Amino acid sequence: GESVGLHLPTLSVQEGDNSIINCAYSNSASDYFIWYKQESGKGPQFIIDIRSNMDKRQGQRVTVLLNKTVKHLSLQIAATQPGDSAVYFCAERLYNFNKFYFGSGTKLNVKP
Amino acid sequence: NAGVTQTPKFQVLKTGQSMTLQCAQDMNHNSMYWYRQDPGMGLRLIYYSASEGTTDKGEVPNGYNVSRLNKREFSLRLESAAPSQTSVYFCASSERTGGNNSPLHFGNGTRLTVT
Repeated sequence: GESVGLHLPTLSVQEGDNSIINCAYSNSASDYFIWYKQESGKGPQFIIDIRSNMDKRQGQRVTVLLNKTVKHLSLQIAATQPGDSAVYFCAERLYNFNKFYFGSGTKLNVKP
Repeated sequence: NAGVTQTPKFQVLKTGQSMTLQCAQDMNHNSMYWYRQDPGMGLRLIYYSASEGTTDKGEVPNGYNVSRLNKREFSLRLESAAPSQTSVYFCASSERTGGNNSPLHFGNGTRLTVT
């Protein structure tokens, strides 16, 4: 989602539904992308990653899709649970550097 | 295996005071990073160190200095703290060797308030 300053975009879903969180990245030279989950008061935790030579990667209950044509990344969470409630960030790494840049984040709120 | 350890966890400074935030990792990673996170926002890169002995500026380096003391440790120094530096500071590390990719591993952050 786009940065809206102090107010993060929020996605509210019902427990058990699927969630889709979107991210637009900025640099066509980025070669590696990561999704992080951040719970209140903690550091970001790794969820799933994908290289630029792939367009889809699946993990346990999560799938990342990469569309390089429009510089778009999405995170799909299947059967969303209350424990999935957190802020989710995407990160991109510039090719040939080991610098990572983050999007502004989306807050996921799971309603029981 | 502690991962990335940051100290202190909390700090309050007065404008103009200086302090150093400490970070150590035990994963034998070559690259280390400092980010800041302001309320409701993403992480912004302050400085990073691709390997021991090298450092480079990120997006928001002004007002900060760093030292890559050895492979394990990467410190961030505020020489003269300003209220605009009130933030949560995260240290991270990663490894990139050849074609392998490694995500960032984060510490739990230092919450800094400058009054």
